[in-house]
Amino acid sequence: ETGVTQSPTHLIKTRGQQVTLRCSSQSGHNTVSWYQQALGQGPQFIFQYYREEENGRGNFPPRFSGLQFPNYSSELNVNALELDDSALYLCASSLDPGFPEQYFGPGTRLTVT
Amino acid sequence: ELKVEQNPLFLSMQEGKNYTIYCNYSTTSDRLYWYRQDPGKSLESLFVLLSNGAVKQEGRLMASLDTKARLSTLHITAAVHDLSATYFCAEAYSGAGSYQLTFGKGTKLSVIP
Repeated sequence: ETGVTQSPTHLIKTRGQQVTLRCSSQSGHNTVSWYQQALGQGPQFIFQYYREEENGRGNFPPRFSGLQFPNYSSELNVNALELDDSALYLCASSLDPGFPEQYFGPGTRLTVT
Repeated sequence: ELKVEQNPLFLSMQEGKNYTIYCNYSTTSDRLYWYRQDPGKSLESLFVLLSNGAVKQEGRLMASLDTKARLSTLHITAAVHDLSATYFCAEAYSGAGSYQLTFGKGTKLSVIP
């Protein structure tokens, strides 16, 4: 059984650029959630994807968007990067939206300069 | 607004001592999680507490849940250096059929030899 994987591990971008982060869900899981963890803070829920559609969203602006593919993998896209977007981005998968157990990937560390 | 508050946020303790981390949450959720995070790493699930009065133990860590008081505790017994990490509690909130996790800010634990 393959766990949740994320790529890339680290990324450095410049303010104003766009970035795409990728996540492969655990085998058998059809739901993917994304979290942002700023330095010294707890993770914050960005959004969740199920059946290739957004299925819940936290308090993040529209420049944070996502996709889910038929194989349940997912992308997080952030446009017009700001310095405050520097964070660890965590992806978590679950069996389905009604199943609360979430399994976290290793994360992508994004630095915006 | 969903809110999870942990205290203390920083904890420095000597090896062999006992201490308790407190987690207050704001909703009527009856599902509470504890995670451990090492520097630069992802989240490691420690406990999930499902009902009022639930108590779970793993090694030197014991977690409990009081849903009436909306309080969970993580008790550390006879701390050892290997327990040094940041500990997060999180409640699972179900809105419109999807679960999202709301995290506290974390308790950074340093165990001093």
